[in-house]
Parts: sequence; C-alpha cells; structure tokens
Amino acid sequence: DIQMTQSPSTLSASVGDRVTITCRASQSISYWLAWYQEKPGKAPTLLIYDTFTLQGGVPSRFSGSGSGTDYTLTISRLQPDDFATYYCQQYDTSPFTFGPGTKVDVK
Amino acid sequence: QVQLVESGGGLVNPGGSLRLSCAASGFTFSSYHMSWLRRTPGKGLEWISSISGSGSDITYADSVKGRFSISRDNTNNSLYLQMNSLRSEDTALYYCARSFSETYPYWGQGTVVTVSS
Repeated sequence: DIQMTQSPSTLSASVGDRVTITCRASQSISYWLAWYQEKPGKAPTLLIYDTFTLQGGVPSRFSGSGSGTDYTLTISRLQPDDFATYYCQQYDTSPFTFGPGTKVDVK
Repeated sequence: QVQLVESGGGLVNPGGSLRLSCAASGFTFSSYHMSWLRRTPGKGLEWISSISGSGSDITYADSVKGRFSISRDNTNNSLYLQMNSLRSEDTALYYCARSFSETYPYWGQGTVVTVSS
C-alpha cells in the first residue's frame, strides 16, 4: 500500500496568514492527489483533485501543487472558515489511502 | 442537491454481522460509482470498497475482503454494505460517498459501528 504522510500535524495560524501543508507519498503517485477539508462533526469535503484542480465552489485562495511524491496545499490568506483539519488522499493505486491529517488552529 | 444518508450502524459482538444502508437522492444514482469509507481511531480515514454504477465492477480493501460485501439497488437509489465476521478493529464511523475517479466529492454524515462484547 502507498503510505501518505503529512506535515505538520498541527499548524497554528492567524486570519490573513499564508498557510502551507505538505503531503508525501511513499512512491510516485503521478499527480493523482486530492485534498479534503474536515470540520468537527461533519464529513470531509473535497477541495482539490488531480493535484491542482479546484472542486466547484471552492474559494480561489486554496491551491495545490506538487509532483512525484511531494505535494502541497496552500491557503493564500487564511479566513475564519478555514480553521479545520486537512487530509490528502492518493488515488494512483488501490487501496486509495489518506494522510493522517493536518489540523489548522487559531494562533 | 446531493444527499447521502447512512443507517444501520450499532453495537455488535465480535464475529457478528451488520448491514449498512445508504439512501441517495438528488442525482441519477445509477450513473455513479459509489464507495464506502470509514474513520477509525487507529488508522484514520480508510477506503473500504467501491462499486460501479451498474454494480458489475467491485473492489475491496484487503482489510475487509472476504468479510464485507458491497451492493446497490438502482431502483431504490440505495447502497449497502454487508459486514460479516466483525472484529474490534472494524469499530468506526462508516461513510458512504459518491465517487469521482476515486475521489469523493460527496459524503454522508456517517453511521457508527461498534464491535465489542
């Protein structure tokens, strides 16, 4: 199975900050990477797929990049609604595995 | 709008069985792949199984292969997960999700399964 790691596990930030979360796969996943946002008591929501493509309705302050084994989610200017946990997921090879999550909390 | 509502979770003894259901609405159910995923305390988010729109293509994670069975009823817009030989490590919040190229744009709110004596 492809193992997914994320860093940091927790990130403390303020409204307006630029936030970067990193996801690393144990082998190349050829851009087949998605990012999800999850808030307490709610199901995850898809933010980005195919490394770069924003899901419909997702604000443009979210962006994704990367290649090979290393991928990044960037929030250009953090908004109050963005305090949440973020997960990456690879879908290059079954089983389709998730990272452990990065919690973005208030600094 | 897309709605997915899971049901059927509960407390079950190790070795027991449970059948989860997912009622779908707001889209043409038979046109979409559907999946089951779960969140466990130990392993986090885990994909379990997927089924094609027609039901002809089915895949399972190794952790549940041979014990769990996914199915769908396109007439009644429903997805199912039959879980047999349940183990303590199957304790989780189970989600159904509409798939898109093995990503999951739409999720239900989940149903809790607890395997314990």
